[in-house]
Formats: sequence, C-alpha cells, structure tokens
Amino acid sequence: QVQLQQSGPGLVKPSQTLSLTCAISGDSVTSNSGVWNWIRQSPSRGLEWLGRTYYRSKWFHDYAPSLKSRISINADPSKNQFSLRLNSVTPEDTALYFCAKDSIGFSFDYWGQGSLVTVSS
Amino acid sequence: DIQMTQSPSSLSASVGDRVTITCRASQSIGTYLNWYQQKAGNAPRLLIYGTSILQGGVPSRFSGSGSGTDFTLTISSLQPEDFATYYCQQSYGTPFTFGPGTKVDIK
Repeated sequence: QVQLQQSGPGLVKPSQTLSLTCAISGDSVTSNSGVWNWIRQSPSRGLEWLGRTYYRSKWFHDYAPSLKSRISINADPSKNQFSLRLNSVTPEDTALYFCAKDSIGFSFDYWGQGSLVTVSS
Repeated sequence: DIQMTQSPSSLSASVGDRVTITCRASQSIGTYLNWYQQKAGNAPRLLIYGTSILQGGVPSRFSGSGSGTDFTLTISSLQPEDFATYYCQQSYGTPFTFGPGTKVDIK
C-alpha cells in the first residue's frame, strides 16, 4: 500500500522559499509507472495542480505555467522522496499543500496528509 | 488552461436520495475526467477516473458518465458517509484543472 508522508515548515515569510518534502513508502520514486505531483488548495483558488515529476529512464518535469518561474519539483531516490520548492512567496501562496501519486494515468489516487503553509511576516 | 465548472455549487439531500452533479469543461476533453470526494480535514479521494471507471473500493452507488464537455456524477442512493464535497478534474492536458466543487449536505 502506497503511503505519502509530508513534512516541512508551516510558516514562511514573504519573498522567501517554501519547501516541502513527500516521503514515499510502498513504492519507489523511480518506478516506471508512478508520477509524483504537488497540488494545493485554498479558499480563493480551490484545488490547483502545481506540477509533477516522473522517471522514465530519465527525469521529466511539468509545471503549471502560472508558477513556472518560481517552482521546482525534484526527486531524491536515495531517500525515496520528492520535494517542492516555491520561490518568492507572497500571502497568495498560503494554502494547504498536498503531494499525490498518479499511478493510473492523469489522476491522483494516493495523497499525502496535507501541509498547511502560511505566508506571513 | 481548460476551465472546469460544476453545478450546483451545493445541494441538500436526504439519505436514500438520488443525487446528480454536473461538470462542464471549457473545451472538449474526451473522457479525460475524474471525480474526487473530499471530507473536511482530509485529502481528496479518487472516486472515478476516465469518466466512468470506478476506483477500487468505491461503492457501486457511484457512477459517472459523459464525454466531450459535459459530465455527470451520480450517487444512486445517498448514504450518510457520502455527505462531502465533490470535485471534477480534467486530465486531458496540463495544467490539470479542477472544478470548484459541489458540497452535498444533509437536508
């Protein structure tokens, strides 16, 4: 059974970098069938897909165009985890952040527990 | 980006009722449409993918239909554990986008 465990700070100052990690158990971040995503949820934006990474003999990344200049999603096979970094945050980045796995094809069938991140000085 | 809308935004229903939620895409997405259920404090749960394929463990009272731009989620007989918010999501292309949700509460 796949489990995703999120970690990271719950408070980030404006203009700084938001960093979250999603540790995987029950699967491998380098599996040829898994796609590893970050999604956030806020009252103003609803559910918003942020981006994904996956390994198919090499690493691939896709990001939401609205965030492309500020976001990076990377995997660490040695720790079997993947991470989100969002630069230059503003209060609009305050949200509940989820990591999620897509093992079926373009849907999210396993989710982390969620991490509430507040951007405030 | 493909915009997703849902109707109604909320509904009140009783246990045993048949409930239908509609989702519309701003352009044709074939059958690349997924449905999620979310309860307060929890992550969304995948119910249906590919418009009509039930995810493992999801009760058969849930069903999905549609194609192109118009889709429906139907709960044939609402159960107490079904009171939640439901979201559609298009998987036709990135950025993947979600509908704003339909909250189902107790009448």
